[in-house]
Amino acid sequence: DTEVTQTPKHLVMGMTNKKSLKCEQHMGHRAMYWYKQKAKKPPELMFVYSYEKLSINESVPSRFSPECPNSSLLNLHLHALQPEDSALYLCASSRREGFSGNTIYFGEGSWLTVV
Amino acid sequence: QQQVKQSPQSLIVQKGGISIINCAYENTAFDYFPWYQQFPGKGPALLIAIRPDVSEKKEGRFTISFNKSAKQFSLHIMDSQPGDSATYFCAASRDGSARQLTFGSGTQLTVLP
Repeated sequence: DTEVTQTPKHLVMGMTNKKSLKCEQHMGHRAMYWYKQKAKKPPELMFVYSYEKLSINESVPSRFSPECPNSSLLNLHLHALQPEDSALYLCASSRREGFSGNTIYFGEGSWLTVV
Repeated sequence: QQQVKQSPQSLIVQKGGISIINCAYENTAFDYFPWYQQFPGKGPALLIAIRPDVSEKKEGRFTISFNKSAKQFSLHIMDSQPGDSATYFCAASRDGSARQLTFGSGTQLTVLP
């Protein structure tokens, strides 16, 4: 079972709204990730959590705020987004970050439209 | 040096044909090469992966061929089916770090019925 579950599947928000994306995995993975994907492009890494601690922030604007409440859950809090932030946001997980052969499994994604 | 070059950008194949997607890399420190399949509106799904000490890996109709000396690897889809129509991303990683996971630009495969 390699399931990463994301909610909501679709989200439309105004530029002054505050919303959150949620992600859950029950594979016992200790690394979780947020990626952003634009149409016809590969995923771009945003954040990495390793053992519930933020280990990588790829210079993401502060209007994106990640949170890892426990080893199974990952949230992405959104505030004051811009229209150019509209994209598919992918949550992913892997057994452990930083070990050769680390395989990253993606969720179905949350489609975000900022109006 | 982190770049992974993928070709072609798009590919149209008749049902039953062989689809071939090629990737090339420069960084010899890459030690893991996964392929992802992405259907429209869905997240990327791991299809098959290979390490550089193996020259070929087959899973069903999908085969990765790996040429370490040429720093190239390719995905072959045998007996291609319309259900295989998707975008395929090759990737290369080093030391198991997501920061070192580099994706190719993607190939949009269309299999005609």
